[in-house]
Amino acid sequence: DTGVSQDPRHKITKRGQNVTFRCDPISEHNRLYWYRQTLGQGPEFLTYFQNEAQLEKSRLLSDRFSAERPKGSFSTLEIQRTEQGDSAMYLCASSSADEQFFGPGTRLTVL
Amino acid sequence: AQSVAQPEDQVNVAEGNPLTVKCTYSVSGNPYLFWYVQYPNRGLQFLLKYITGDNLVKGSYGFEAEFNKSQTSFHLKKPSALVSDSALYFCAVREWPYTGGFKTIFGAGTRLFVKA
Repeated sequence: DTGVSQDPRHKITKRGQNVTFRCDPISEHNRLYWYRQTLGQGPEFLTYFQNEAQLEKSRLLSDRFSAERPKGSFSTLEIQRTEQGDSAMYLCASSSADEQFFGPGTRLTVL
Repeated sequence: AQSVAQPEDQVNVAEGNPLTVKCTYSVSGNPYLFWYVQYPNRGLQFLLKYITGDNLVKGSYGFEAEFNKSQTSFHLKKPSALVSDSALYFCAVREWPYTGGFKTIFGAGTRLFVKA
């Protein structure tokens, strides 16, 4: 399968713990995006990479969130000191043109 | 700032009838417009896009969308609905020229239910 993959698919954690998600984009895509989606809402933009450079970060993203794309290939999204409000589906997408290709998402539940 | 509105939470249509899912947008510059579909337990899939040119764009699975600049709308349409079209549909917009990157704003989604 050459689509976007995300790991893990599900994560349950206790409030205050740190979590890290991984995204593997389509190999030839130089752009990578992270979104958050809650029930009944559309994807909410979090951050965007062009190759290894993080070019934009949403103002809604607190300092507890950090993302990296060290070699311009896979990316990680880390959430420190998780809160119950962080519970959501975290989506990764990649693109080489205008349309984006989405992964299946990581569903985070913070207890 | 960019924004997208999908005024209908749900659209119900009978199989074989035409369907329309509405979308309006707001941007400062020019819009790049997209429709994506989300099936249960599957990731979002790209359907179609408008960048420039012909106001009527055709996409996957027989869907099309009409760009109307004066009404700032980009409604999704299909001449004959199928039960398998039942899914969650998202309209999205990106603004250009845009020097900050490729930030895309999504609407809240419209659930399409096609009845046999």
